Amino acid sequence: NAGVTQTPKFRVLKTGQSMTLLCAQDMNHEYMYWYRQDPGMGLRLIHYSVGEGTTAKGEVPDGYNVSRLKKQNFLLGLESAAPSQTSVYFCASSYLHEQFFGPGTRLTVL
Amino acid sequence: KNQVEQSPQSLIILEGKNCTLQCNYTVSPFSNLRWYKQDTGRGPVSLTIMTFSENTKSNGRYTATLDADTKQSSLHITASQLSDSASYICVVSMNYGGSQGNLIFGKGTKLSVKP
Repeated sequence: NAGVTQTPKFRVLKTGQSMTLLCAQDMNHEYMYWYRQDPGMGLRLIHYSVGEGTTAKGEVPDGYNVSRLKKQNFLLGLESAAPSQTSVYFCASSYLHEQFFGPGTRLTVL
Repeated sequence: KNQVEQSPQSLIILEGKNCTLQCNYTVSPFSNLRWYKQDTGRGPVSLTIMTFSENTKSNGRYTATLDADTKQSSLHITASQLSDSASYICVVSMNYGGSQGNLIFGKGTKLSVKP
């Protein structure tokens, strides 16, 4: 089992560009999450999904969109990147009370 | 306001020594409390999960305690190793399984173990 994987690992964008971060899990989990982690702050929830075809907003959803077309994939999109979106993004999936995190994507917006 | 506060922010100890990390929370309703280890450049990995009725749980050299009355938890690391160098994050869940995303994350304690 690969667990939770994220693509890409690193990315540099210019302000206004768009991109999609891909998260994939092979554990057949229903729940998936996108977080961002910034220096000096705890992880903050951007969006989450409780099953295929469903998504919901978390604590900091503005500027992001998500889709869960397949159970194993959860996509995070930035339509028009801003410097404030420079961060490390973590995807997670969960079963019962256990969350499994991916390795993260480091995004820099210039 | 639901909050999780961790102390200290950072800690340096010598290899082989013990240490204790603290977590205080003001989260309600409480479901469970988790400790995660996050190595530099990696995602968090679960160490322990405790529900309201559990007051101690061990995972190898890691022992977590929970006092639900005072809303405090601690993570004790015994006989530290260089590989214990990481950030340790305390997370409190407001719903069983966190399925609705109601997890409150602390900012973490950065532990450095020196030879």
